[in-house]
Amino acid sequence: QKEVEQDPGPLSVPEGAIVSLNCTYSNSAFQYFMWYRQYSRKGPELLMYTYSSGNKEDGRFTAQVDKSSKYISLFIRDSQPSDSATYLCAMSVGNTGKLIFGQGTTLQVKP
Amino acid sequence: GAVVSQHPSWVICKSGTSVKIECRSLDFQATTMFWYRQFPKQSLMLMATSNEGSKATYEQGVEKDKFLINHASLTLSTLTVTSAHPEDSSFYICSAPDRVLGTEAFFGQGTRLTVV
Repeated sequence: QKEVEQDPGPLSVPEGAIVSLNCTYSNSAFQYFMWYRQYSRKGPELLMYTYSSGNKEDGRFTAQVDKSSKYISLFIRDSQPSDSATYLCAMSVGNTGKLIFGQGTTLQVKP
Repeated sequence: GAVVSQHPSWVICKSGTSVKIECRSLDFQATTMFWYRQFPKQSLMLMATSNEGSKATYEQGVEKDKFLINHASLTLSTLTVTSAHPEDSSFYICSAPDRVLGTEAFFGQGTRLTVV
């Protein structure tokens, strides 16, 4: 079993839709949770960062962490074609700098 | 945000040759950098942790003699793929930790290596 599970998709939605991306994990020691966006053949770009459980909002993006269920989510409101990319969840146990990534979900937002 | 520059962005080499990839932190010092490999439609897999002034720490299953890492200064880490083979063809990405978060918030652009 992988430490971090993420549905690779692809996920296709119409412009303006609300997108929900999810990851589950098995290591209860994970404390830091991140979402990255990666465009084709580019390095990942940090979108959201959350420590421990709870919600965090930044513009059209909301990150949720439920440590009791070992489940994290990223919501994108009013999705745009420019949001089309691969979204990777990542986690770490402490401030060690060592991240464990999910497989990534490919999202396509159609105009 | 901080910038991490990786070079080259793509390279094609013949089997048996060596390829060097550079990772630079442009506006901050990075005592630690990380090297990942990503196969098509797969996640980033950590290969090794590069430590300035000391030996790199390799993840289980990564050949130290094949993937040579040097972190000679606070702004530069290099990954050399020695005696490359077609199965080494992949997307290699470096990252450097954000000084506040302490995690790898900044990634290089990645290097697409194709071994023919």
